[in-house]
Amino acid sequence: SQTIHQWPATLVQPVGSPLSLECTVEGTSNPNLYWYRQAAGRGLQLLFYSVGIGQISSEVPQNLSASRPQDRQFILSSKKLLLSDSGFYLCAWSVGGSQETQYFGPGTRLLVL
Amino acid sequence: GESVGLHLPTLSVQEGDNSIINCAYSNSASDYFIWYKQESGKGPQFIIDIRSNMDKRQGQRVTVLLNKTVKHLSLQIAATQPGDSAVYFCAENSFSGSRLTFGEGTQLTVNP
Repeated sequence: SQTIHQWPATLVQPVGSPLSLECTVEGTSNPNLYWYRQAAGRGLQLLFYSVGIGQISSEVPQNLSASRPQDRQFILSSKKLLLSDSGFYLCAWSVGGSQETQYFGPGTRLLVL
Repeated sequence: GESVGLHLPTLSVQEGDNSIINCAYSNSASDYFIWYKQESGKGPQFIIDIRSNMDKRQGQRVTVLLNKTVKHLSLQIAATQPGDSAVYFCAENSFSGSRLTFGEGTQLTVNP
């Protein structure tokens, strides 16, 4: 069966510091991968998605970036965090070639102070 | 623009009652719909899906109804339990779209 992991689970970072969140998927090959951000009490905002290694599509302009160095690894980064980057970050995967059912990881709660 | 939204942001029910969570969508090209459940501090969990060639689909204690005429989707939970307390999101996709569009979510609270 497929599983998706995210780490860290919680992160507190000062403004201006760098960020690296990692997501890995097990039990499937060539998945589509997604990064979402969720503000408290709100819905999901798609940040990035990837259909293959090195292929990244950005949905919204921001100071975040994403990379996919391996087939089942998706990384969310920032060089300098802003207060507005605080939120709950979710990674998801779907079957390659399909943009339908997405399965989510446990999330990373980021607090920027 | 196209959007998916929910009629009610909160819903409170008594344990044992049936719950109905509603969702309206505006993209007439939508052909696939999903309901997710998100418990506090966790990632959304897939509950049930339905394609546009169906108007009803049943799972364990859950039923999804699709009315394409009025672009309305609902999730029915039978004999609601305290463990059902969570935020429920609907999401839609279409052949013309490249990603899921999520609604804002409905907070379901089950009172003992």
